[in-house]
Amino acid sequence: DAKTTQPPSMDCAEGRAANLPCNHSTISGNEYVYWYRQIHSQGPQYIIHGLKNNETNEMASLIITEDRKSSTLILPHATLRDTAVYYCIVSSGGGADGLTFGKGTHLIIQP
Amino acid sequence: GAVVSQHPSWVICKSGTSVKIECRSLDFQATTMFWYRQFPKQSLMLMATSNEGSKATYEQGVEKDKFLINHASLTLSTLTVTSAHPEDSSFYICSARYGQGWGNEQFFGPGTRLTVL
Repeated sequence: DAKTTQPPSMDCAEGRAANLPCNHSTISGNEYVYWYRQIHSQGPQYIIHGLKNNETNEMASLIITEDRKSSTLILPHATLRDTAVYYCIVSSGGGADGLTFGKGTHLIIQP
Repeated sequence: GAVVSQHPSWVICKSGTSVKIECRSLDFQATTMFWYRQFPKQSLMLMATSNEGSKATYEQGVEKDKFLINHASLTLSTLTVTSAHPEDSSFYICSARYGQGWGNEQFFGPGTRLTVL
């Protein structure tokens, strides 16, 4: 699976949009981009995933660049409860393989 | 999203004893489940992949005789830590694959914190 690079930490003001970048320059054609988050001492929570097109659900939006070498997770109106470690994961297993977690981005929402 | 549960949420045991952790997909059937562990201030590490009705596939460095995995039904996988030692103390987390199509997501359980004295 392709490796991802994320900033170790980010701050965002409550109520503002949080934009979390992820670089996956070695991604191959059949690899999906998955985003999960982990709040302290809990299991990871699925957020969103995509292959080529931008995706949106009730939690977030995923913007994938045309060359697929990077993506951005957008939390439109961040709340204090969005403080967590966010993981960007690229996987070629189509969901059948375990996920390789990097160090992620520690997002801190400031009141 | 789909719901995955784990039991127990935490367990304390003496060195040398065995501990069983259950992982259940509550509202969907999962042909594939995964087991991860997470040491303090570290990221999740995949331990094994469990397919219903077949033997688990273990990641390199994970002892299959120490971490016994059984996936007896489409909604239940168990991880048994045999002869646990203090170095096995960790946060154990399972996940279940949702559906069987290409590009499906995994849903994670809340985790089980194991402390071996």
